[in-house]
Amino acid sequence: EVVLTQSPGTLSLSPGDRATLSCRASQSVSNSRLVWYQQRPGQAPRLLIYGASSRATGIPDRFSGSGSGTDFTLTITRLEPEDFAVYHCQQYDYAQGYIFGQGTKLEIK
Amino acid sequence: QVQLVQSGAEVKKPGASVKISCKASGYIFNAYHMQWVRQAPGQGLEWIGAIKLTNGKVDCAQGFQDRVSMTSDTSTNTVYMELSRLRSEDSAFYYCAREFPETFNFDSWGQGTLVAVSS
Repeated sequence: EVVLTQSPGTLSLSPGDRATLSCRASQSVSNSRLVWYQQRPGQAPRLLIYGASSRATGIPDRFSGSGSGTDFTLTITRLEPEDFAVYHCQQYDYAQGYIFGQGTKLEIK
Repeated sequence: QVQLVQSGAEVKKPGASVKISCKASGYIFNAYHMQWVRQAPGQGLEWIGAIKLTNGKVDCAQGFQDRVSMTSDTSTNTVYMELSRLRSEDSAFYYCAREFPETFNFDSWGQGTLVAVSS
C-alpha cells in the first residue's frame, strides 16, 4: 500500500521567506499523478500543482513543484500573507484510489 | 464560471444515513467525474469515491464500499452522495470536487458540507 508522508508537519516562516515542503511516497509513484493543494482556514482545498510540476490556472509563479519517484517538493518563494495555509499532496494509485498526505501547516513565525 | 454548490450542514444520530447534494454549473456536467473527499476536524483529507458522469460508474475507497451510494441527476446537474450506518467517526466536512477524466487532479471544489454524528 502506498503511503504519502509530508514533512514538516508545521513550518514557521515569515513573509518574504522561501518555503520548502516535502511529500515522500512509500513506493515509487508516477509524476503525472502527483498533485498539491492549498487549503486556507475555513475554505475548501484549491488545486495548486498537478503532474508534479505544472501550475494550475491562476496560480502565481512563486509556487513551483518538483521531484520524481518517491520524493516530491513544493517550493514557495517570497511568501505572501495569503500563502500561510495547509498544503496537501495527493497521489492516485490504481489499487487504492486517491491517497493524501497528512498535510503541512505553513504558519507565520 | 465553474461552481459546485453543496447542501447544508446535517446533524445525524449513529446508525442513520445522510445524503449530501452537489449542484454543478458552468461546465458540461457529464464530461467530468465527481469526486467525494472528507476531512475530520483538524485532520487530513480522505478520499471516499467518485461517480464517473461519463458512464455512471461508481468507484469507492475500500473502507466505504458497503456504506456509500453515489447517484446523479442530469436534469439538474446534481450529484448525490449517501453514507449509511453513520458512526461518530464519520463526523467531518464532506467535499465534492470535479475531475476531468484521467487527469488525476481535482480542479474545482464545493464549499463543503459539515456532517455531525452524535447521539
